[in-house]
Amino acid sequence: GENVEQHPSTLSVQEGDSAVIKCTYSDSASNYFPWYKQELGKGPQLIIDIRSNVGEKKDQRIAVTLNKTAKHFSLHITETQPEDSAVYFCAARPWGNNRLAFGKGNQVVVIP
Amino acid sequence: EAQVTQNPRYLITVTGKKLTVTCSQNMNHEYMSWYRQDPGLGLRQIYYSMNVEVTDKGDVPEGYKVSRKEKRNFPLILESPSPNQTSLYFCASSLQGVDNEQFFGPGTRLTVL
Repeated sequence: GENVEQHPSTLSVQEGDSAVIKCTYSDSASNYFPWYKQELGKGPQLIIDIRSNVGEKKDQRIAVTLNKTAKHFSLHITETQPEDSAVYFCAARPWGNNRLAFGKGNQVVVIP
Repeated sequence: EAQVTQNPRYLITVTGKKLTVTCSQNMNHEYMSWYRQDPGLGLRQIYYSMNVEVTDKGDVPEGYKVSRKEKRNFPLILESPSPNQTSLYFCASSLQGVDNEQFFGPGTRLTVL
């Protein structure tokens, strides 16, 4: 089955700096890659996603890039703010499968 | 307000005592799913449902049952809970399938003694 790994497990950044989280996946047929943000005490919430026919997608301060050859995709957060502090999960959907394989999560801490 | 609700939010029980965690969504979503979240293991899918009367196993289905008799409800049943099922459980729903935005409930913290 699909195996998704996230690096680093914890990331601390100064407010205003950029944060990058990388995920690798194992199944080359995977075709959908979402990123979810989980704030303390809440359920995860989708922040951005990308499909395999696209290399990059942006939404204000957040972007996701996909490298299908290397089988990795990354979340980029620019101009980080304290409210960006959360756990971020990446996931991958293998083609033809109705399940999502999630990574173990990254704790991002934005230091004011 | 569009939302996914779960009940109860917190539950402490004992080994072997059957329990049900309810999940309901008011968005007319076809796809519903249950996940468990454990420290260091991230989110793992237990069961999912593509539509009414259609359910299938996720990555960690052992010890759990589900049913989907109505579109809005997707209860998770633990027939004989064991301590290794102590976890944080999330229900989620999406319009159609897993490659649409999944809306997560607030979570149910379950402790099995």
